[in-house]
Amino acid sequence: GIQVEQSPPDLILQEGANSTLRCNFSDSVNNLQWFHQNPWGQLINLFYIPSGTKQNGRLSATTVATERYSLLYISSSQTTDSGVYFCAVLSGATNKLIFGTGTLLAVQP
Amino acid sequence: SAVISQKPSRDICQRGTSLTIQCQVDSQVTMMFWYRQQPGQSLTLIATANQGSEATYESGFVIDKFPISRPNLTFSTLTVSNMSPEDSSIYLCSVAESGEYNSPLHFGNGTRLTVT
Repeated sequence: GIQVEQSPPDLILQEGANSTLRCNFSDSVNNLQWFHQNPWGQLINLFYIPSGTKQNGRLSATTVATERYSLLYISSSQTTDSGVYFCAVLSGATNKLIFGTGTLLAVQP
Repeated sequence: SAVISQKPSRDICQRGTSLTIQCQVDSQVTMMFWYRQQPGQSLTLIATANQGSEATYESGFVIDKFPISRPNLTFSTLTVSNMSPEDSSIYLCSVAESGEYNSPLHFGNGTRLTVT
């Protein structure tokens, strides 16, 4: 089945710093989504981005489907950005959403 | 997007017992899914809850262990049966925003289950 790898696995930032999270997938996909799981376990959908670039405040995402990767940019990070970031891809073969391995982000004040 | 209420939010259960988790959505949704997140791990799809018919289970998950009900388009339950410590996980229900696989997915707040 499709493999979804995220990097880096862990990241520590100082408040105000910028970061780039990467999601690589092994096969063609119908869509890609980015999620943030806060330290209490809540999962929030950040972006639905099968291709192209989207921005929402300090966050933006770019998916290059032909090269099988997506990037999530976090600018001017805040402590509330801490948590785990997951990408998830919809397999064209199975119509199942496959979650990546996650990036654990800690933003220190 | 739909508001998804899940309960209980957490529970501590004894080995051998069962727990039923409820998921209520504030609008009718076609596609509802149940996920498991084991400690420190990513999310794994347990099953798709189908209204009016049996759930569709993923490889490694069986109906006897994780029976699912979907009596209408706004409600579903997942039961974790005959629990063991290995069942300690976060269980999450989710819905597809526009009723299609190819649409944004939104989650309830999850049920954090600890089995002793």
